[in-house]
Amino acid sequence: DAKTTQPNSMESNEEEPVHLPCNHSTISGTDYIHWYRQLPSQGPEYVIHGLTSNVNNRMASLAIAEDRKSSTLILHRATLRDAAVYYCIPKTQGGSEKLVFGKGTKLTVNP
Amino acid sequence: GAVVSQHPSRVICKSGTSVKIECRSLDFQATTMFWYRQFPKQSLMLMATSNEGSKATYEQGVEKDKFLINHASLTLSTLTVTSAHPEDSSFYICSARAGQGNEKLFFGSGTQLSVL
Repeated sequence: DAKTTQPNSMESNEEEPVHLPCNHSTISGTDYIHWYRQLPSQGPEYVIHGLTSNVNNRMASLAIAEDRKSSTLILHRATLRDAAVYYCIPKTQGGSEKLVFGKGTKLTVNP
Repeated sequence: GAVVSQHPSRVICKSGTSVKIECRSLDFQATTMFWYRQFPKQSLMLMATSNEGSKATYEQGVEKDKFLINHASLTLSTLTVTSAHPEDSSFYICSARAGQGNEKLFFGSGTQLSVL
């Protein structure tokens, strides 16, 4: 499994954009980059995933570096409900279905 | 969206007893489910992969005789913590993939196990 490096914690203010970085320099060419988040005392929830192109959905945007060694999850307008631990997980498409979680980034959103 | 229901959400038991946790996919069939354990302020640790109709695949270091996994149907997997001890106290979470070719995993809300 590709190794990831994420900041332990980040802080943001409500209504402001948040950029959560992830380094995955050992990612293989077939690995998709998945992002999940875990709110306090809950199971994780899917946020977004992509391979090479930037991706957008109703929750967030995912910007993937051209060399694919890093990516950034973008929350366009943080809300208090976005306070969670965010996990960046490289995963082989169609390969082992399991997700291996790293330490993630704990995002604090200030009112 | 797909829903994974996990029950109970919280359980307290005495040392030496066994505890069963259920994980159900409510609106889809899950041929594979996953069980994770999470200690306070730590990340999720994968315990095992549960395959419908066959034996579970355990991660290295996880005792299969202690953590019994049964996946008898396409919508239900159970984890039984046998002869629980205080060190088994943890947050247990299940997950399932919503269909073939769908890369998303959906997670249950977790079970907080406290062993006295």
